[in-house]
Amino acid sequence: GAGVSQSPRYKVAKRGQDVALRCDPISGHVSLFWYQQALGQGPEFLTYFQNEAQLDKSGLPSDRFFAERPEGSVSTLKIQRTQQEDSAVYLCASSLGRDSNQPQHFGDGTRLSIL
Amino acid sequence: RKEVEQDPGPFNVPEGATVAFNCTYSNSASQSFFWYRQDCRKEPKLLMSVYSSGNEDGRFTAQLNRASQYISLLIRDSKLSDSATYLCVVRARSASKIIFGSGTRLSIRP
Repeated sequence: GAGVSQSPRYKVAKRGQDVALRCDPISGHVSLFWYQQALGQGPEFLTYFQNEAQLDKSGLPSDRFFAERPEGSVSTLKIQRTQQEDSAVYLCASSLGRDSNQPQHFGDGTRLSIL
Repeated sequence: RKEVEQDPGPFNVPEGATVAFNCTYSNSASQSFFWYRQDCRKEPKLLMSVYSSGNEDGRFTAQLNRASQYISLLIRDSKLSDSATYLCVVRARSASKIIFGSGTRLSIRP
């Protein structure tokens, strides 16, 4: 597709379950970002990939959060032993190159609800 | 203090009015600046980049003031379709250090 694609759009899980969220960036985009957005807040940075390399994971809130991008394209954000505070919209964004001047293109997000 | 701060609003203005809002940032090493708009339950979409000399795109004008560490967005002749949340984005030289403001809600009334 032409844009960033995320799946699933909605995910409901029970507390303690593991979840996996997928991001398919725009073809050829080198940089990929994951964000967490709580209601009424701006997106909060989680992690950044340049191709397959995870260059920054300083925003991951705990070791229950794990992200990968093994072939430098599709990325997966995994949350283990989910907690209620993990409920949020998880946004993925990609940009063409490594330059910080380049804008990001966002996917529709995955709305995660932990019961 | 947050690294990027915005007035949450809401700004409620009549159609056709001019509205402006600012965003302040604390990291003087910030290199790149953007405005995004986000509609309810939608993803953020790039509105415009902000350049040092200021830039204009139709009814929208963005300004950067490095000395006072803020960026601004001016919307002229506002339309009903401008109703959205406007997010300020500040990026350091390191490509991964990206900070979003909490957003300013704008509501245009007929």
